[in-house]
Amino acid sequence: DTAVSQTPKYLVTQMGNDKSIKCEQNLGHDTMYWYKQDSKKFLKIMFSYNNKELIINETVPNRFSPKSPDKAHLNLHINSLELGDSAVYFCASSQGDRVFWKNEQFFGPGTRLTVL
Amino acid sequence: TQLLEQSPQFLSIQEGENLTVYCNSSSVFSSLQWYRQEPGEGPVLLVTVVTGGEVKKLKRLTFQFGDARKDSSLHITAAQPGDTGLYLCAGSGGSYIPTFGRGTSLIVHP
Repeated sequence: DTAVSQTPKYLVTQMGNDKSIKCEQNLGHDTMYWYKQDSKKFLKIMFSYNNKELIINETVPNRFSPKSPDKAHLNLHINSLELGDSAVYFCASSQGDRVFWKNEQFFGPGTRLTVL
Repeated sequence: TQLLEQSPQFLSIQEGENLTVYCNSSSVFSSLQWYRQEPGEGPVLLVTVVTGGEVKKLKRLTFQFGDARKDSSLHITAAQPGDTGLYLCAGSGGSYIPTFGRGTSLIVHP
């Protein structure tokens, strides 16, 4: 049973294109996240949704737009892709919302995005 | 912005050796978590420490949260090849936004 799944696993695209990454969790969690991990393994939170409401939006360019159609899904759409967007993007989910330390985050396997 | 500095950045050791990795900050954190990430996968939570001075053990792994809640350490006894991975610490301070360190990449050779 896959707890947090992401598609696609790999995404290679040209600069300027628009792409989407999908995430689904079957854990019944209320909160979902998107993280970006750069080539030096630095993991930085981008967005968080709790019950389909955006609760964290961390200085991410407007080209990135998360969408949560329901509690189990959080998709990430990226417009006008740039070279610097190349990274591994992780989706995660947790039960509960703002009290970080009380809630274990379960991460997906990641989507490696390469912008040429 | 609260920063977490991890050291060493890289560690390559033989099976059976002991090691300690560190996570330090100039800021106080209300809690700190340690994760292990294997290649091609997402991070997996190992432990959460909340109280200053707290020590938690997970088999051969010992985690400590500093008294002032500004630092933490992870000690592995008799490392095994299965311990190979990227160890990340993550903290939460006044806000509920988690901050991650840059990780310690550990390789344990058989």
